[in-house]
Amino acid sequence: DGGITQSPKYLFRKEGQNVTLSCEQNLNHDAMYWYRQDPGQGLRLIYYSQIVNDFQKGDIAEGYSVSREKKESFPLTVTSAQKNPTAFYLCASRPGLGLWEAFFGQGTRLTVV
Amino acid sequence: AQSVTQLDSHVSVSEGTPVLLRCNYSSSYSPSLFWYVQHPNKGLQLLLKYTSAATLVKGINGFEAEFKKSETSFHLTKPSAHMSDAAEYFCVVSDRDSGGGADGLTFGKGTHLIIQP
Repeated sequence: DGGITQSPKYLFRKEGQNVTLSCEQNLNHDAMYWYRQDPGQGLRLIYYSQIVNDFQKGDIAEGYSVSREKKESFPLTVTSAQKNPTAFYLCASRPGLGLWEAFFGQGTRLTVV
Repeated sequence: AQSVTQLDSHVSVSEGTPVLLRCNYSSSYSPSLFWYVQHPNKGLQLLLKYTSAATLVKGINGFEAEFKKSETSFHLTKPSAHMSDAAEYFCVVSDRDSGGGADGLTFGKGTHLIIQP
């Protein structure tokens, strides 16, 4: 079945450590996105990529990094510079920009302990 | 520039009664509009989409929405609420000409739908 797979579903990190969240899609979509969701705040865009080897910062990119070496993969690294990383992270993809709807993964809940 | 306003942060209805979740948008061009549903600790699932065809759009689980250009609205409705409808709902706009470096998707802040037994 085609879709987006995020792993792991739950992740615990000690303060000061970097951690990488995985996002893989087999929909052959060009565009991929990372969002952060905090209670009562909706979705906030961290990074997005329109094509392989290219990505742009979203509204809250500080403390995060991404790569897009393959069309199907868009991993997100939460660095130690992110002051408040505990949140629910959602990955999405769509065929391209414009009128297309986005398809979402099931999310990763990151908790800093 | 585009924007989305979901007019209610919380909506509470009784099971079996109609549901109305309100969404207003602004867009410089002819937009596509979407409603997504999110259950706790899950990803977002597409309920329905408007892409300039019929203005009344039917989606999954008995939901529908009507695109009203004159009112810049895209309200989500369901004739009879079910307990399983309790979730967070997001209205989203995508602009036709958003390929100039912007990501192209604008999310509303969400409406939490509560179903009373």
